[in-house]
Amino acid sequence: DAKTTQPNSMESNEEEPVHLPCNHSTISGTDYIHWYRQLPSQGPEYVIHGLTSNVNNRMASLAIAEDRKSSTLILHRATLRDAAVYYCILSYQSGGSNYKLTFGKGTLLTVNP
Amino acid sequence: SQTIHQWPATLVQPVGSPLSLECTVEGTSNPNLYWYRQAAGRGLQLLFYSVGIGQISSEVPQNLSASRPQDRQFILSSKKLLLSDSGFYLCAWSTPQGPGTEAFFGQGTRLTVV
Repeated sequence: DAKTTQPNSMESNEEEPVHLPCNHSTISGTDYIHWYRQLPSQGPEYVIHGLTSNVNNRMASLAIAEDRKSSTLILHRATLRDAAVYYCILSYQSGGSNYKLTFGKGTLLTVNP
Repeated sequence: SQTIHQWPATLVQPVGSPLSLECTVEGTSNPNLYWYRQAAGRGLQLLFYSVGIGQISSEVPQNLSASRPQDRQFILSSKKLLLSDSGFYLCAWSTPQGPGTEAFFGQGTRLTVV
């Protein structure tokens, strides 16, 4: 399985931008890069995903390196509600119509008021 | 709109007792369905996935089994629970359109085996 590497934890201040890094040096050409986040005692929530180009949505931006071996999730203005564990995941086809999301340990983001 | 329901929210069961967790999805058809488990302080581990009724794939050998009796119903079961089965169990669904689509998770069941 293609794996990702993320820092165990990061800290940010409210209202400031946050850049969460992810390394995926063994990514294949068909793997999508997904980001999810999980608040305590809740199920993960989709944040953003991309394949090759940078992506923006209402929650965040995803910057993908040209060689696709790393990516960065950007929260433009962190709020206290953004404090969560952020997972960077490679999504790949696993036979037929199925694809799998294999989670690592993620990055615990702490946002200081 | 699509919704996913998972119950119960919390469960305390004695060792050796059976288990049945249910997950249903509304507002979509032929979804891919997934069961994950999260042990305390750890990441999510994929347990089972299903691409259709009666089609179950197991990711890791364990004391659990899964079934999909209806298109939008996914059940996680055990005949005899072990202490190591304790954890946070999450059901998820996605459209069968490949890895470029997002997955949606339920709110989870916190299982404590005592």
